[in-house]
Amino acid sequence: EAGVTQFPSHSVIEKGQTVTLRCDPISGHDNLYWYRRVMGKEIKFLLHFVKESKQDESGMPNNRFLAERTGGTYSTLKVQPAELEDSGVYFCASSQTRSGGADTQYFGPGTRLTVL
Amino acid sequence: AQKVTQAQTEISVVEKEDVTLDCVYETRDTTYYLFWYKQPPSGELVFLIRRNSFDEQNEISGRYSWNFQKSTSSFNFTITASQVVDSAVYFCALNAYNTDKLIFGTGTRLQVFP
Repeated sequence: EAGVTQFPSHSVIEKGQTVTLRCDPISGHDNLYWYRRVMGKEIKFLLHFVKESKQDESGMPNNRFLAERTGGTYSTLKVQPAELEDSGVYFCASSQTRSGGADTQYFGPGTRLTVL
Repeated sequence: AQKVTQAQTEISVVEKEDVTLDCVYETRDTTYYLFWYKQPPSGELVFLIRRNSFDEQNEISGRYSWNFQKSTSSFNFTITASQVVDSAVYFCALNAYNTDKLIFGTGTRLQVFP
C-alpha cells in the first residue's frame, strides 16, 4: 500500500511569488492534515480536512495560505504571495477515520519550501 | 494548554550504547494519546508508537521500549544497543481526545557513531 506522497520535495521561490504544494493521502483515508516545521522549531498544525470539508483550520497563519481538497482525495496548499517567514518543511498526514479523535496520523516526506 | 517538551536537543552515543529520549507533556484532558515519530535523514516522519492515557503498561518492541508514567507526565523512549541506523530526529507528540491536531515537541536529534 502506497504511503502519503507529497510534491514537490523541494521548492525554491522568490518573495512575492506563488507556490502550490500537493499531498496525496493514503487511499481510503478520510482525514488529511497539513503541518509545518519552521527551522529548528516544533512541527505545528495548520489544518485538517475530513473528506472535502475543512474540519479545523485554526493553525493557518494568515490569508496568504489557501488549502483545498476537491473531491476528498488529494489536497493542495497554496501560498500567495510567499514571504520569507514561510520557509520551512510542510508535512502532510492522513488517517483513516475518527475514533475518539486520535487515529494514528501517517506522514508524508514533506516539501521543503525556501523563500528567497 | 497542551504542551510537549523534549529537553534534549541532541544526543550522541557510540554504537551498542543504550539511550533514553525524554518526553514530558502537559494537558488538562483526562483522555489523551501520546506518540513517537522518527525522522531519518530521508525526511519522512515514521510512526513508532501510540499510547492512550488509560494504558500505562510499558511497551517493548525489539530494541525499542517506552516508559509511560502519568504521575510525572512523561513518556520516555529507550533504544537498547543503539545502531548507526537509529540516527534520526525523534519527535514526541500529544493528541487530546476529540481533537485532531498533534502537538509536537521540538525533537531530539540522535547521532549514533560506529
